[in-house]
Amino acid sequence: QKEVEQNSGPLSVPEGAIASLNCTYSDRVSQSFFWYRQYSGKSPELIMSIYSNGDKEDGRFTAQLNKASQYVSLLIRDSQPSDSATYLCAPCTDKLIFGTGTRLQVFP
Amino acid sequence: NAGVTQTPKFQVLKTGQSMTLQCAQDMNHNSMYWYRQDPGMGLRLIYYSASEGTTDKGEVPNGYNVSRLNKREFSLRLESAAPSQTSVYFCASTQVGTGFSYEQYFGPGTRLTVT
Repeated sequence: QKEVEQNSGPLSVPEGAIASLNCTYSDRVSQSFFWYRQYSGKSPELIMSIYSNGDKEDGRFTAQLNKASQYVSLLIRDSQPSDSATYLCAPCTDKLIFGTGTRLQVFP
Repeated sequence: NAGVTQTPKFQVLKTGQSMTLQCAQDMNHNSMYWYRQDPGMGLRLIYYSASEGTTDKGEVPNGYNVSRLNKREFSLRLESAAPSQTSVYFCASTQVGTGFSYEQYFGPGTRLTVT
């Protein structure tokens, strides 16, 4: 079993809605996490990191870490078509193992 | 400051041929990684190098070899290519250690097709 699990999607949301992306993890991995965004045909880019329990907000993005329930989530408020991409979750360790990623589609 | 560079960008090989994918970074990072990405499979770690002179296996090392030539360069070699190695290959680097975030920086990828 992979250490980090994500629903591959696609997750389809209308423009302006909140997109909620989730990631669950085994208790063997780090308890700090990255969220990467990958546009089709491009390389991943870091959009959020969260190092402690609770919420972290950056513009339209909010990362949530719940260590007791072993999940980390990414909320995107006021979703835009330009947010359509695959979102990858990864624990902050020196051997970076990614989840499979969730494909988000935002339709006008 | 080019970040992480990879060559070539595209490559077509016949089964059984060999080739080396090159990766270089100019950020003075100590750790470097090779991933492959297949549709629906996400990024899978092939090999990584925590420092110059060291390499370790990742999730899918079979059929590959790596060399950490110096701090800047980390190459991936396919000795006898197979169609199952058709994929997009990404190189990444980061600085590991106390006080660093472990954020990885990725190269643009190499699209490899084995026929």
